Amino acid sequence: DAKTTQPTSMDCAEGRAANLPCNHSTISGNEYVYWYRQIHSQGPQYIIHGLKNNETNEMASLIITEDRKSSTLILPHATLRDTAVYYCIVRAMNTGFQKLVFGTGTRLLVSP
Amino acid sequence: DAGVIQSPRHEVTEMGQEVTLRCKPISGHDYLFWYRQTMMRGLELLIYFNNNVPIDDSGMPEDRFSAKMPNASFSTLKIQPSEPRDSAVYFCASSSTSGGLNYNEQFFGPGTRLTVL
Repeated sequence: DAKTTQPTSMDCAEGRAANLPCNHSTISGNEYVYWYRQIHSQGPQYIIHGLKNNETNEMASLIITEDRKSSTLILPHATLRDTAVYYCIVRAMNTGFQKLVFGTGTRLLVSP
Repeated sequence: DAGVIQSPRHEVTEMGQEVTLRCKPISGHDYLFWYRQTMMRGLELLIYFNNNVPIDDSGMPEDRFSAKMPNASFSTLKIQPSEPRDSAVYFCASSSTSGGLNYNEQFFGPGTRLTVL
């Protein structure tokens, strides 16, 4: 799996958009970008994933650059409950390859 | 669905004792994963099963660790004998491939916090 690079920590004001970057310059053509988050004392939670098109769901939006070497997770209106560690993971997608390799992630602090 | 269920939530034991952690995956899921999380090493995959069969145990730290999945609704992670360096939060997760190749979101349990004295 391709390696990812994320900032160690970020701050965001409540109600503002949180934009979390991820660099994955060695990504291969068959690898997807996944985002998970881990709220304190809980297990990780899936947020969103994508291949090359931008994706949006009820939790967040994922913007992937045209060359696929980086992506940004956007929380449009951050709340205090969005304070968590956010993990960007790149992995191939096929039924025989289910492993997720978690890095150190970005610690997002949402403040009032 | 109740989600992934783990027990116990907290375990305190003494060095040398046997520890058994338990996991009930989400009904219908065909993959089950065991992870360990520490401050020093982060979140590490220990082993995962597909249809109750171990597929990759390369993350299991040593022979003191063993995992079983006797049926689709139950798995155990056993440490014997336990050591202080095994202190960590152990997570179980499950996923399903029934939705096609794009559907393999992993659902995590609340974790078991293990302290070995």
